[in-house]
Amino acid sequence: GQQVMQIPQYQHVQEGEDFTTYCNSSTTLSNIQWYKQRPGGHPVFLIQLVKSGEVKKQKRLTFQFGEAKKNSSLHITATQTTDVGTYFCAGPNNNNDMRFGAGTRLTVKP
Amino acid sequence: EPEVTQTPSHQVTQMGQEVILRCVPISNHLYFYWYRQILGQKVEFLVSFYNNEISEKSEIFDDQFSVERPDGSNFTLKIRSTKLEDSAMYFCATTRSLMRAYNEQFFGPGTRLTVL
Repeated sequence: GQQVMQIPQYQHVQEGEDFTTYCNSSTTLSNIQWYKQRPGGHPVFLIQLVKSGEVKKQKRLTFQFGEAKKNSSLHITATQTTDVGTYFCAGPNNNNDMRFGAGTRLTVKP
Repeated sequence: EPEVTQTPSHQVTQMGQEVILRCVPISNHLYFYWYRQILGQKVEFLVSFYNNEISEKSEIFDDQFSVERPDGSNFTLKIRSTKLEDSAMYFCATTRSLMRAYNEQFFGPGTRLTVL
């Protein structure tokens, strides 16, 4: 079945450094969603991308959807300790149910 | 803001026992989900539920699992005979409309199930 692959699995950065996580699918996606899960918390929706090549920004977070709609990235500029958590991408399968990537766990050293 | 609630927050049970995890979806939402997250791992889809029927289930959702919405309010996940490997955080999630792939999912706080 449809899977979204996400790398890296872990990323440890110094506060102020940038961070990027990548999501790849073997099939074309109609849309992709990004979620953040704080330690001990539950996934919280961040954003959805639908159009080929779409770029959306939320303050220091930049989300991109590839031209072929098979990959996506989340980039955080100048990380802060509040960015700590696991970032998941999710894409729909043939039944329109979302399937989550394995997530990238971000830790930030102050 | 409306939110998904789940009870209990933590359930400890003996292997072989039955457990029921409860979720109260957001009132006007139509699609409901159960996910499982083993500690430190990915969020795994278990089942989707719409109009009092299972819409899709994963290979994890075997005969030991069942879901129902008995009273139009609670959405429950039952595990008939728990195994050690069922220990995980179980999240309920809901979406607003039938265009569920294009709607954000609202997750509950989760139930941590520990099987001894």
